Amino acid sequence: GAVVSQHPSWVICKSGTSVKIECRSLDFQATTMFWYRQFPKQSLMLMATSNEGSKATYEQGVEKDKFLINHASLTLSTLTVTSAHPEDSSFYICSARKDPGSGEKLFFGSGTQLSVL
Amino acid sequence: GDSVTQMEGPVTLSEEAFLTINCTYTATGYPSLFWYVQYPGEGLQLLLKATKADDKGSNKGFEATYRKETTSFHLEKGSVQVSDSAVYFCALSDWGGSEKLVFGKGMKLTVNP
Repeated sequence: GAVVSQHPSWVICKSGTSVKIECRSLDFQATTMFWYRQFPKQSLMLMATSNEGSKATYEQGVEKDKFLINHASLTLSTLTVTSAHPEDSSFYICSARKDPGSGEKLFFGSGTQLSVL
Repeated sequence: GDSVTQMEGPVTLSEEAFLTINCTYTATGYPSLFWYVQYPGEGLQLLLKATKADDKGSNKGFEATYRKETTSFHLEKGSVQVSDSAVYFCALSDWGGSEKLVFGKGMKLTVNP
């Protein structure tokens, strides 16, 4: 089956530092990946759509300069939380769209728990 | 905008108990509806889906029926197992596909032997 690897699974950092989260499709190509965020007791919210070789599309209210997305290859998208602050502490999940092909197209990573001190 | 409201947990059941997780939605169009499951340490996986009214999705003993009149998509299983312990997410997509998803908050289920 299709596998999406997300790394790291958890990270603790100091306020003001930047944190990079990687999302890799291990056995398929993904021109499109999605980044979600979940605050405690809240829904998973789509942050942005990452497109290989082009700029990401951000959802309303998400700061693109704060959450830098790079989708440089067909198997890797990265999310960098720049100058992280405690309010950025959250659970981040990526998903990758498998193409081409039939059947289920969307596969998720296992998530990254970010804690900013 | 579109939204999904699902039963909040956590919920603990004994093995072989009956499970219902309620899910209702609000959408402007005719969304597709999904249940995703996340087992410990793993990514979300599609459990089942339904793309139009009265469709029933089923997988691994779980079932959910798309009820347009009540805007609901409740998940049921007649006899849960320890291996069903996971977090369950209800979601919708207004695109007809499963890409740009709107999720509920998720519900953690623990099944004890």
